[in-house]
Amino acid sequence: DQQVKQNSPSLSVQEGRISILNCDYTNSMFDYFLWYKKYPAEGPTFLISISSIKDKNEDGRFTVFLNKSAKHLSLHIVPSQPGDSAVYFCAASAGGTSYGKLTFGQGTILTVHP
Amino acid sequence: GAVVSQHPSRVICKSGTSVKIECRSLDFQATTMFWYRQFPKKSLMLMATSNEGSKATYEQGVEKDKFLINHASLTLSTLTVTSAHPEDSSFYICSASQTEIQFFGPGTRLTVL
Repeated sequence: DQQVKQNSPSLSVQEGRISILNCDYTNSMFDYFLWYKKYPAEGPTFLISISSIKDKNEDGRFTVFLNKSAKHLSLHIVPSQPGDSAVYFCAASAGGTSYGKLTFGQGTILTVHP
Repeated sequence: GAVVSQHPSRVICKSGTSVKIECRSLDFQATTMFWYRQFPKKSLMLMATSNEGSKATYEQGVEKDKFLINHASLTLSTLTVTSAHPEDSSFYICSASQTEIQFFGPGTRLTVL
């Protein structure tokens, strides 16, 4: 039962353009969402997060959008840079006894071409 | 962001031996630490949640006698893979958190021969 899904295994973008990574979830108890970036043989690096009380959060080139009714979130990177090439994971957490536990999507490989 | 270290980064051991992996939060006190395993081209699979001073909570299907977790202080958690077998070969990653944001260590590549 995949509660967090990233349906695009890969995405290829030209440098300077916008990268849009998508994520869908099924568990309505999720109230906090995060995006991580990961290089091979390294641990994930935290990028940006959003609480369910918001629909947008921005940090520099990264913006996360949350559509609760659609159970969908997206990460926008603009402008994209070759150094952004990595695997991007979205993750979600619920409150209560599950506080702090993250459920990860399968990841999307982003390739930014010079 | 906060810094989490893991040691060793890579370990090769013989089948039947035990391997200990350390996870440290270097610049903050982590109320909770998590241990994950990642298979090739797969997502991160949560193995267990560890709170300082209490027993770890294991996810379904994870053998607690096989994967011993100790959370001795607010900055240190250890994972010991006991009587390791080739199928335990994997990439193990820890994370530490104070809030809902987890900060990850660099991971440990375990190869069991």
